[in-house]
Amino acid sequence: GESVGLHLPTLSVQEGDNSIINCAYSNSASDYFIWYKQESGKGPQFIIDIRSNMDKRQGQRVTVLLNKTVKHLSLQIAATQPGDSAVYFCAEIMGGGADGLTFGKGTHLIIQP
Amino acid sequence: DTAVSQTPKYLVTQMENDKSIKCEQNLGHDTMYWYKQDSKKFLKIMFSYNNKELIINETVPNRFSPKSPDKAHLNLHINSLELGDSAVYFCASSQASVLGNEQFFGPGTRLTVL
Repeated sequence: GESVGLHLPTLSVQEGDNSIINCAYSNSASDYFIWYKQESGKGPQFIIDIRSNMDKRQGQRVTVLLNKTVKHLSLQIAATQPGDSAVYFCAEIMGGGADGLTFGKGTHLIIQP
Repeated sequence: DTAVSQTPKYLVTQMENDKSIKCEQNLGHDTMYWYKQDSKKFLKIMFSYNNKELIINETVPNRFSPKSPDKAHLNLHINSLELGDSAVYFCASSQASVLGNEQFFGPGTRLTVL
């Protein structure tokens, strides 16, 4: 659903459940993608990254999937915890990164107790 | 130790004033950035800078200027502040390598223009 206050897509899941956050990126020439987590009042924090020559990468409780055909990224968080509540951004970058990251809109993940 | 630090954390000022936000990174990175996050949480690159090249997002007004006294610092100077400049400004740094290009972000500076 949509959170009117933040104007961000909102995903609400029960603690312990798995969550999937989706992102559409814009530049087919982008070759590196990152998921960031931003807690209230803090800067974005790196979660996981993936290069364009991969379609899946796993970390601790997180998995990123990349579908270059449709320019789509997803972030799967397993066994969600209260501390996972935050805004999640996907970001894309091309080449050496001199142009900086291009961020997606962000999704507000709420973990219900 | 804080990897990327910014000062001040909060900045409240009147329109038409000139202000600066400071950023320092102790990671030894070559590239630093400034991002602006608006009230809708949208993050947008403003500048990227290393010791060779400054890249400016063409949508950034020329009232904004980055200044880098050395590799570890990239300050943001803003002239003649406007109401629309109110936002949270994030500094970041990175060191591109074959392993990736993870950017480390500072805690942000919340600028409020009255």
